[in-house]
Amino acid sequence: GNSVTQMEGPVTLSEEAFLTINCTYTATGYPSLFWYVQYPGEGLQLLLKATKADDKGSNKGFEATYRKETTSFHLEKGSVQVSDSAVYFCALSVNSGYSTLTFGKGTMLLVSP
Amino acid sequence: NAGVTQTPKFRVLKTGQSMTLLCAQDMNHEYMYWYRQDPGMGLRLIHYSVGEGTTAKGEVPDGYNVSRLKKQNFLLGLESAAPSQTSVYFCASSTPPSSYNEQFFGPGTRLTVL
Repeated sequence: GNSVTQMEGPVTLSEEAFLTINCTYTATGYPSLFWYVQYPGEGLQLLLKATKADDKGSNKGFEATYRKETTSFHLEKGSVQVSDSAVYFCALSVNSGYSTLTFGKGTMLLVSP
Repeated sequence: NAGVTQTPKFRVLKTGQSMTLLCAQDMNHEYMYWYRQDPGMGLRLIHYSVGEGTTAKGEVPDGYNVSRLKKQNFLLGLESAAPSQTSVYFCASSTPPSSYNEQFFGPGTRLTVL
């Protein structure tokens, strides 16, 4: 079946530090990969996505590259801000007809001034 | 354009009571989903719908029923609530059929079953 494994949190960083959140996956088929972000008290919103190998998704200074050879989609940001504090979810979708999302367990990021 | 809305935002039930959670979207999306979010578990799919009048089981469907009588609404029912159903419930919607289409999420319903 399909599964997503993320590094456990919380990840605690100081403002302007470099961020990496690891994500690896297993999938039957050729998945699309996503990072969703959940700010406190809100629903999830799409942060970035990649639909084929070697694609790089980017948004708001965050980046992730689809690595088929290592089945990974690690999230990075060069300089985090306090406003980036949130829970980050890695997810995949396989085009098996109904395209449901399989989520990782989420990684909480806490950024201090 | 409100996107995806959920009613109610909070609810406390006693074991054995029933309730219905309402999800509404104004984006004319064909697909709708119900997830539950539990600490350390991520989001797990309960049921989904690929169009008006259709429903299908997700990963954790037991104890829940759903209906999609109108394209814009997706209802999640708990016939006899149990403490194990204490969770935060999220509804989402998307366009078909591609696997790389974004899902849009509502703000969530926090349900406590005593």
